[in-house]
Formats: sequence, structure tokens, C-alpha cells
Amino acid sequence: GAGVSQSPSNKVTEKGKDVELRCDPISGHTALYWYRQSLGQGLEFLIYFQGNSAPDKSGLPSDRFSAERTGGSVSTLTIQRTQQEDSAVYLCASSLPLRGTREFFGPGTRLTVL
Amino acid sequence: AQTVTQSQPEMSVQEAETVTLSCTYDTSESDYYLFWYKQPPSRQMILVIRQEAYKQQNATENRFSVNFQKAAKSFSLKISDSQLGDAAMYFCAYRTNYQLIWGAGTKLIIKP
Repeated sequence: GAGVSQSPSNKVTEKGKDVELRCDPISGHTALYWYRQSLGQGLEFLIYFQGNSAPDKSGLPSDRFSAERTGGSVSTLTIQRTQQEDSAVYLCASSLPLRGTREFFGPGTRLTVL
Repeated sequence: AQTVTQSQPEMSVQEAETVTLSCTYDTSESDYYLFWYKQPPSRQMILVIRQEAYKQQNATENRFSVNFQKAAKSFSLKISDSQLGDAAMYFCAYRTNYQLIWGAGTKLIIKP
């Protein structure tokens, strides 16, 4: 596609439920990132995928968070047993695997945990 | 550890005037990249300008320019001839390898 897409755009869930957030990167971009942006804050790195290499999961805040990337393209971020503090905008970005290249961001998913 | 600091939570400027947003960072690396991103209410993160640390010349993109002071670890963004469409959150970010380190952002308000 022309850009990075994310779905859903907004998600409201009840505390304790599991949620899945989807990211479709730009075709040909082997690098994919997930970030979390809490209200009025900067972006917090969550996880990084690069091709077939093992992902860098160092930013995941707890074991309730996990992410997969199937076929080197689409990625799913899963949050289990959601908590109110998980409420945030989750942004996905993709890029070419070049050190100085820019990242292209999706529009984000706003997650609200009631 | 690398950190990025934006000391101005909010700035306002009159339309058509010039405004400068501040950013400082801390690193022991010598080769890295610096970015300014703009995030309007639509949430879409948009790249404004990029600077490579090994280049001494300040990057410029139309009305946007940076003042990169490597020794001082400072990377400010100047917006000339401010327009209503420039109103947004502006984030400064730093990268050595693949991970971007972000500042907390500056909200820019444009007064008509």
C-alpha cells in the first residue's frame, strides 16, 4: 500500500480482556517498530523486527505484551489481561534496513481500557 | 544512556513570525542521526527534518531549519513564516542504530 496502515483506529475494551492490534507496513520495508504514546507524552519504544532476525523485545513493559510478525510483513501486537494503564495510542512504523533512513508511521490505534 | 530533552512543553507564535523549538540530547556516540517529527491532532507522525551528526552543515527544508551544535549536543528547530497548519506537537528524536529515542514533545500554538 501507499503507507503504513493500522487497525482498528480506536479500541475500547474492559479491564482484563485481551486485545490485538494490527500493523500493515509499507511493502518492501523489512524493519518494523511498535511504539506506545501515553497522553501528552513522547513515544516509548516497545519492539523492533528486522527481517528474519530475532526481534528486539527490550521495550515491552510486561509479559502481558507480545508481538508477532508473520511472513516478514503484517505484525500483531497483543496485550493480555489489559489494565487501565495500558490506555494509550499504539503507533507502528516501518522502514528500510538502513541506519539513517526515516521511519514511516501509521496513524496509530487509540486503546482505551475501562 | 541516551536521552533527549525538550524543555518547552508549549510554545506559541504569531502567524507569519519565526519560532525556535529547543532540543538537547545526551550521548557518548559520535555517529548518529537527529530528527524532528510533527504530530498534528490526526496522530499521524510526520518527518519534518533530519540531520546526520557527521555533517556540519545545518539541514534545511523550506521554512524549517535546524541549528545543530554537536559539541553542545543541541538540535533546535526554527520555523520561519509560521502558518496555521504548523500547529502540532513537535518531537525531537535521536538514533544511533535502529532505535529512536524521543523527547517529550513541544506543543506549538499558532496565533492568527
